[in-house]
Amino acid sequence: QSVLTQPPSVSAAPGQRVAISCSGSSSNIGSNYVSWYHQLPGTAPKLLIFEDNKRPSGIPDRFSGSKSGTSATLGIIGLQTGDEADYYCGTWDTNLNAVVFGGGTTVTVL
Amino acid sequence: EVQLVESGGGLVKSGGSLRLSCAASGFFFSSYSMNWVRQAPGKGLEWVSSISSSSTNFIHYADSVKGRFTISRDNAKNSLYLQMNSLRADDTAVYYCARSRYGDVFDYWGQGTLVTVSS
Repeated sequence: QSVLTQPPSVSAAPGQRVAISCSGSSSNIGSNYVSWYHQLPGTAPKLLIFEDNKRPSGIPDRFSGSKSGTSATLGIIGLQTGDEADYYCGTWDTNLNAVVFGGGTTVTVL
Repeated sequence: EVQLVESGGGLVKSGGSLRLSCAASGFFFSSYSMNWVRQAPGKGLEWVSSISSSSTNFIHYADSVKGRFTISRDNAKNSLYLQMNSLRADDTAVYYCARSRYGDVFDYWGQGTLVTVSS
């Protein structure tokens, strides 16, 4: 069971918006920055968002991150078939002294 | 171009050992903390271990591997290592090498190497 909780799957039609939640506690999301990664089928994970809401160069602004209290959210607008992937949130847990990830959310474009 | 290439994976019996390597190129290796993250078949990401740029500031391990795995690096060879001892079936996974942009932000990942532990 993962320290961070994500929904197993979300889906929407092309062009629509999805939001993926990541719920934690005061020792992880509540006190540390959150990162988001996506993993296309059969490939390595890739950094999408860091420091809650910053995008690395090359990541389109269709992807956004936000945080409130002990929960974080990844938003994707203008959904494309190429966005079908697994998405993971991650952060440092101060109590565990460990990097923790969510269980992952599979995005399906209908 | 940043490249991370893992090697050393394979099939090993329960209780056995393996040493994974990660060859880095395209960036100043000795300036970055490095990490191992694994992914069991059909499962999510699990952080394994992290090491600071000089190896002296910090080394961290997940509880699941503490006492069995050892992370190390050779900055002269631009290489990261993971010595895995007392392997168990639940260590079966693809092991990824990942660079830290800083802290727990992993900005570049290798393609992974598969470790299979047979019972």
